[in-house]
Amino acid sequence: GQSLEQPSEVTAVEGAIVQINCTYQTSGFYGLSWYQQHDGGAPTFLSYNALDGLEETGRFSSFLSRSDSYGYLLLQELQMKDSASYFCAVKTNAGKSTFGDGTTLTVKP
Amino acid sequence: DTGVSQDPRHKITKRGQNVTFRCDPISEHNRLYWYRQTLGQGPEFLTYFQNEAQLEKSRLLSDRFSAERPKGSFSTLEIQRTEQGDSAMYLCASSLTSGQADTQYFGPGTRLTVL
Repeated sequence: GQSLEQPSEVTAVEGAIVQINCTYQTSGFYGLSWYQQHDGGAPTFLSYNALDGLEETGRFSSFLSRSDSYGYLLLQELQMKDSASYFCAVKTNAGKSTFGDGTTLTVKP
Repeated sequence: DTGVSQDPRHKITKRGQNVTFRCDPISEHNRLYWYRQTLGQGPEFLTYFQNEAQLEKSRLLSDRFSAERPKGSFSTLEIQRTEQGDSAMYLCASSLTSGQADTQYFGPGTRLTVL
């Protein structure tokens, strides 16, 4: 089966940088995705890594180390609107995606 | 609005009743996923289709749950003999398999309350 671990809560101030870690155990690993979900909303895609290294998309970057079964999401220049839950999700060769339980990010002024 | 729609948005039912939800994915997307999400948890995988073929179904899913995607377009998820533990948000997502990325676009969900 698959399992993922990520911190349950993170707090940071506006303008800061925050890193949300994700470790996983899975067979047939294919890639790691990150999704953002605001209260009452649906998850929205942020980033995807299939290969080791850093992917940058604007203020958000995601990193993957396949050998360490580890990834992280980096959010820069935090804004109040970034307060949300962030989920890492492992995709397997079979096409299934397993989500972590999410990290609640609170951005304070 | 991601282009994925779900109907109904809310459903209240009594224990023991059957319910059916519909998902309309983005038209050119070949993959369609169903998830269940409860408060404080991540989306829990239920099943997924590639075109009309159901390729994987969660072992956590009891025989009371069934899903179809008859023409490879919209999909339905049926829950028979609902139980209070079925109360959750049911999310549908679609994606287009191309290259490596598997960006899933989620619908707004159907919130089920079983009394």
